[in-house]
Amino acid sequence: EAEVAQSPRYKITEKSQAVAFWCDPISGHATLYWYRQILGQGPELLVQFQDESVVDDSQLPKDRFSAERLKGVDSTLKIQPAELGDSAMYLCASSLEGGEHEQYFGPGTRLTVT
Amino acid sequence: DAKTTQPTSMDCAEGRAANLPCNHSTISGNEYVYWYRQIHSQGPQYIIHGLKNNETNEMASLIITEDRKSSTLILPHATLRDTAVYYCIVRVDNYGQNFVFGPGTRLSVLP
Repeated sequence: EAEVAQSPRYKITEKSQAVAFWCDPISGHATLYWYRQILGQGPELLVQFQDESVVDDSQLPKDRFSAERLKGVDSTLKIQPAELGDSAMYLCASSLEGGEHEQYFGPGTRLTVT
Repeated sequence: DAKTTQPTSMDCAEGRAANLPCNHSTISGNEYVYWYRQIHSQGPQYIIHGLKNNETNEMASLIITEDRKSSTLILPHATLRDTAVYYCIVRVDNYGQNFVFGPGTRLSVLP
């Protein structure tokens, strides 16, 4: 069964350092999502891509966060510089097209900023 | 902001039915009710969705009240592997409408 891949699974970094996360969606899925999940809360959408284009980044803190999906397949989410409050789980999801009933989530990257 | 209200936590005995309630009193006529769950250290997983009618699949049943202001997710025979956080979400089913997750209900299935 096809799955969304994410790496690394765990990342520890010091504040003010740069960190990057990678996501490979299910093959053929045009829509890719990045979510952030703080412990004890539900996931919060950061950015949504349709192919290589950003269609929603209203919740992305653009002063320090950036996301790209250059060829419309895999994607990278970057934080520079990292802050203590960025400690969270970063989840990637994909769907065939935006609006489907089902989004397929990856296992996530757990970030700890010290 | 999430448009649903769920209990913070629930317990269920293994083998019994787990009934998870959700209130969505401000739901619009074109909004679907979705359920996802998140097992510890994994990403959320789709369970089921519905608009007006009750729905059933291999994982669960969804019962929506006639006025659509509340719903119940039923896991007919809960197992230990059903221990997870369950999210109830309402969303318009069209492009550009994203899922807004609340804190969900933490279901503990007890042996």
